[in-house]
Amino acid sequence: EIVLTQSPGTLSLSAGERATLSCRASQRVSGNYLAWYQQKPGQAPKLLIYGASSRATGIPDRFRGSGSGTDFILTISSLEPEDFAVYYCQQYGDSLYTFGQGTKLEIK
Amino acid sequence: QVQVVQSGAEVKKPGSSVKVSCKTSGGTFSNSIISWVRQAPGQGLEWMGRIVPIVEVPLYTHKFQDRVTITADKSTDTAYMELSSLTSDDTAIYYCAISRNSWYGSDNWGQGTLVTVSS
Repeated sequence: EIVLTQSPGTLSLSAGERATLSCRASQRVSGNYLAWYQQKPGQAPKLLIYGASSRATGIPDRFRGSGSGTDFILTISSLEPEDFAVYYCQQYGDSLYTFGQGTKLEIK
Repeated sequence: QVQVVQSGAEVKKPGSSVKVSCKTSGGTFSNSIISWVRQAPGQGLEWMGRIVPIVEVPLYTHKFQDRVTITADKSTDTAYMELSSLTSDDTAIYYCAISRNSWYGSDNWGQGTLVTVSS
């Protein structure tokens, strides 16, 4: 089972700033099948990025995924008020999928 | 657009079982990958297992392998997750998550089903 470690656990930033979230895998993620999800309180997760770098339908271009192998990054270029939420990475390259523990992006 | 509707909240006794349903519409159910994910109060997302209805063979993460059963009914486009031998640690919101194919990620989620285990 692939273990995903996200950092930092909490990120405190202001609107307009750039956010950089990290996701490191315990072994190579096959096909770079790495997704990023956003979750707001009381809501189901929302797919942002799939295949490490492809934006899902309707996702603004301020969200950018990058990386390959074992190291992946989600960058939000200029934070909007609605971007403050919890972000999870997930690998789905292995037959058994796994999630990271999440990064909480909070308003500074 | 795929619609995903889960069954309602459940309250269960320790040692019992729960079965949650996930009905989809507007997509190609048989070829989708349907995952079940749970989230304990204040905690992160935990992937439990998945099924591709047309293949019918489920895969479970090791933690739940002995207690979870995931099935899919192609005639009604409905997936099910049954969890047995419940304890208070199983109190969580259970989500079904749909992937249109193997490389896309889960882009459609149910609203979640709260399962509370309490004596």
